[in-house]
Amino acid sequence: AQRVTQPEKLLSVFKGAPVELKCNYSYSGSPELFWYVQYSRQRLQLLLRHISRESIKGFTADLNKGETSFHLKKPFAQEEDSAMYYCALSAPYNTDKLIFGTGTRLQVFP
Amino acid sequence: DAGVIQSPRHEVTEMGQEVTLRCKPISGHNSLFWYRQTMMRGLELLIYFNNNVPIDDSGMPEDRFSAKMPNASFSTLKIQPSEPRDSAVYFCASSLGDSRSFGSGTRLTVV
Repeated sequence: AQRVTQPEKLLSVFKGAPVELKCNYSYSGSPELFWYVQYSRQRLQLLLRHISRESIKGFTADLNKGETSFHLKKPFAQEEDSAMYYCALSAPYNTDKLIFGTGTRLQVFP
Repeated sequence: DAGVIQSPRHEVTEMGQEVTLRCKPISGHNSLFWYRQTMMRGLELLIYFNNNVPIDDSGMPEDRFSAKMPNASFSTLKIQPSEPRDSAVYFCASSLGDSRSFGSGTRLTVV
């Protein structure tokens, strides 16, 4: 079964601390993995995708096929990073059907 | 471009009533998606359309839910009759290729 698991509903850190939002997936094959973010009172938007291999707003995510994980990391959290983060997967070359995890709310305290 | 437009932003209704949620996708986008967001289950895909044709409705909870896309610029999600457990935020999204945009959502409360 295709599934995305985000084990933490809430992650609280202080400004400047490292952040790691966990994401594990279940998929028979090689899916495409994504991180979406929803800031307060804003629309859900794409943060990054694994095939891009880029860093967005200081965040990076590495696909680990052995551990079936796609954890989102940032070395130094900022208050403006506070938001809801969703990990998602889709079939390769067909991103129509995105399957989302339950989301993790990141709170960054000053 | 105003992006994906959803209406209403908030809806409060009594159990048993019919509820219709509306979505206007971004012009030129050829796929449209309806999602439901709850604390317990996160974001669930309910149904999606490609070129106005329903492709996958396996996420629709039950027969009380129905969705239509009569043309490329409009879609509805209807719940009849509504139940308290339907209370959630319903998101519409549209896409063209890999570019996907989400609406602001409709917060539905069924009392």
